[in-house]
Amino acid sequence: QLQLQESGSGLVKPSQTLSLTCAVSGTPIISGGYSWSWIRQPPGKGLEWIGYIYHSGSTDYNPSLKSRVTTSVDRSKNQFSLRLSSVTAADTAVYYCVRVSTYYDSRGYLVGAFDIWGQGTMVTVSS
Amino acid sequence: DIQMTQSPSSLSASVGDRVTITCRASQSISNYLNWYQQKPGKAPKLLIYGASSLQSGVPARFSGSGSGTDFTLTISSLQPEDFATYYCQQSHKTPPTFGQGTKVEIK
Repeated sequence: QLQLQESGSGLVKPSQTLSLTCAVSGTPIISGGYSWSWIRQPPGKGLEWIGYIYHSGSTDYNPSLKSRVTTSVDRSKNQFSLRLSSVTAADTAVYYCVRVSTYYDSRGYLVGAFDIWGQGTMVTVSS
Repeated sequence: DIQMTQSPSSLSASVGDRVTITCRASQSISNYLNWYQQKPGKAPKLLIYGASSLQSGVPARFSGSGSGTDFTLTISSLQPEDFATYYCQQSHKTPPTFGQGTKVEIK
């Protein structure tokens, strides 16, 4: 049974760096053929995609956050991580780690979707 | 970025009602449209991918339709466990973007 579990700092001071880790159980993080993602949700608001870690190991980030985001994979621990630098109150949110799967749709085309989510971890930016 | 706009933002309905939520993309996204359900304090759950394909384990009362820029999520007979917020998401181009959500409340 695939499970994702976020962990990391729940309270971060403004201008510092937010660090989170997602432990993946039930499938190998790189050789399993899946891609992985971080998504966040400010309190009472909608969902914002942060970035991808593709099964190749390459990455892609939301242009709105690209200058501040770094992601990495630790194959030995089967986990991936997020670092977001120079945080402000606007970065206060629930952060989710998510698996990205591809499916054949009704037309026979491959489509991607966020199919397995961690429970989320609340990060508050405050002095 | 592709903007996704959902309507309505919220609705009130009764158990057994047929509910329809609309999602419009700012440009054509073919069928690259997914729907998610989120309950308070929980992570979103994938309901439909590719505009109309039902994710495994999701009840058949949920259905999706549309292509291009206009899409619909329909719940044929609303059940108590369906009261939640629903989000559409385009996977046509990076960055993937979500609609603002539609909250389905009890009437």
